[in-house]
Amino acid sequence: ETGVTQTPRHLVMGMTNKKSLKCEQHLGHNAMYWYKQSAKKPLELMFVYSLEERVENNSVPSRFSPECPNSSHLFLHLHTLQPEDSALYLCASSQVNRGDSYGYTFGSGTRLTVV
Amino acid sequence: AQKVTQAQTEISVVEKEDVTLDCVYETRDTTYYLFWYKQPPSGELVFLIRRNSFDEQNEISGRYSWNFQKSTSSFNFTITASQVVDSAVYFCALSEPYGNKLVFGAGTILRVKS
Repeated sequence: ETGVTQTPRHLVMGMTNKKSLKCEQHLGHNAMYWYKQSAKKPLELMFVYSLEERVENNSVPSRFSPECPNSSHLFLHLHTLQPEDSALYLCASSQVNRGDSYGYTFGSGTRLTVV
Repeated sequence: AQKVTQAQTEISVVEKEDVTLDCVYETRDTTYYLFWYKQPPSGELVFLIRRNSFDEQNEISGRYSWNFQKSTSSFNFTITASQVVDSAVYFCALSEPYGNKLVFGAGTILRVKS
């Protein structure tokens, strides 16, 4: 496989459930990101991992818990979510080099519905 | 602080019309990078172009062209002879050279009708 792969593509979960979103990148990149995209809202950066260390957490509620076990994998663990957490969750990866920027490669996203 | 503004929330055109999507940015960096991404209904953001702040040459790729004007801090995107398959949300983004953090605009929904 190539690029950035996200699973599952669709997820419906109850407010008391625990689930995890998975992201895998096959590009040899050294940074990975979680974004949230809600209807009619801008892309919201949630977490940034660079060289497997979390370098940014944009005031995300604790019911979202990221995990980056290695440079190729990124998880988003979900528990006791609210209906307003229903959104498209996008994973991205990039190569972070000093003095240059190549942008991100995105996965297809996980469409999450909280009922 | 960096900021990207896409003032057009939604644009509707008829097939074969030309359409320009506007992007205005703010940054204090002298070196920076600008991007355009396309998000079709499938959800994935697809990279279209990357431009660094020292290269003000306009670029053309098939029906797509980009006009970078540092004097007005704009990086506009034009689709010539639009097609229904161009219907998507288009995002403009700005990046600093260190850390590779992208700041996205709110996006412009483009609807191309047959």
